Amino acid sequence: EPEVTQTPSHQVTQMGQEVILRCVPISNHLYFYWYRQILGQKVEFLVSFYNNEISEKSEIFDDQFSVERPDGSNFTLKIRSTKLEDSAMYFCASRGPETTPGEQFFGPGTRLTVL
Amino acid sequence: DQQVKQNSPSLSVQEGRISILNCDYTNSMFDYFLWYKKYPAEGPTFLISISSIKDKNEDGRFTVFLNKSAKHLSLHIVPSQPGDSAVYFCAASARGNEKLTFGTGTRLTIIP
Repeated sequence: EPEVTQTPSHQVTQMGQEVILRCVPISNHLYFYWYRQILGQKVEFLVSFYNNEISEKSEIFDDQFSVERPDGSNFTLKIRSTKLEDSAMYFCASRGPETTPGEQFFGPGTRLTVL
Repeated sequence: DQQVKQNSPSLSVQEGRISILNCDYTNSMFDYFLWYKKYPAEGPTFLISISSIKDKNEDGRFTVFLNKSAKHLSLHIVPSQPGDSAVYFCAASARGNEKLTFGTGTRLTIIP
């Protein structure tokens, strides 16, 4: 069964450093998302991406964040200058055109630890 | 921002019995409601959904009920099985809006 993959599974970085989290969505999917979950809190929407542009973003997704689909398979989240409060589990998700509204396929997540 | 709330952080149910997980929402613009299941070290997995024009949707052992006037939905699992032990997230989306708004989750433990 096709699945969303994410790399790395765990990323440790120093405050102020740039990180890139990588995702490979399911191949025929057209909609892509990033969510995050700070430890003990709810899963929060960051951004949605369709047709090579951001379709929606949350207040969390400020100028420090960017997304890119550099080729036909990868979808990346870049945090330009990490802060301690960026430590969280980051989930990538995708959905195809024929899926149930709201049904998104999530990857296993990347745990980001900012020291 | 507590648009979707799950007031029970945990629930324990005997195997074979019914599990009922509850969720409340405040945003009247939500028109799709979903339940996701999450195991440790995995991402959330879609379980079942319901449109706001319905009050019940059933899929095998899983049934979701929606009470729009009370802004409340529930997930019934019957009979409960040990493999159902996981964290269950209620989520909602609004028409024309791609983002999902999640609740805080309920950890369900099925006791053999």
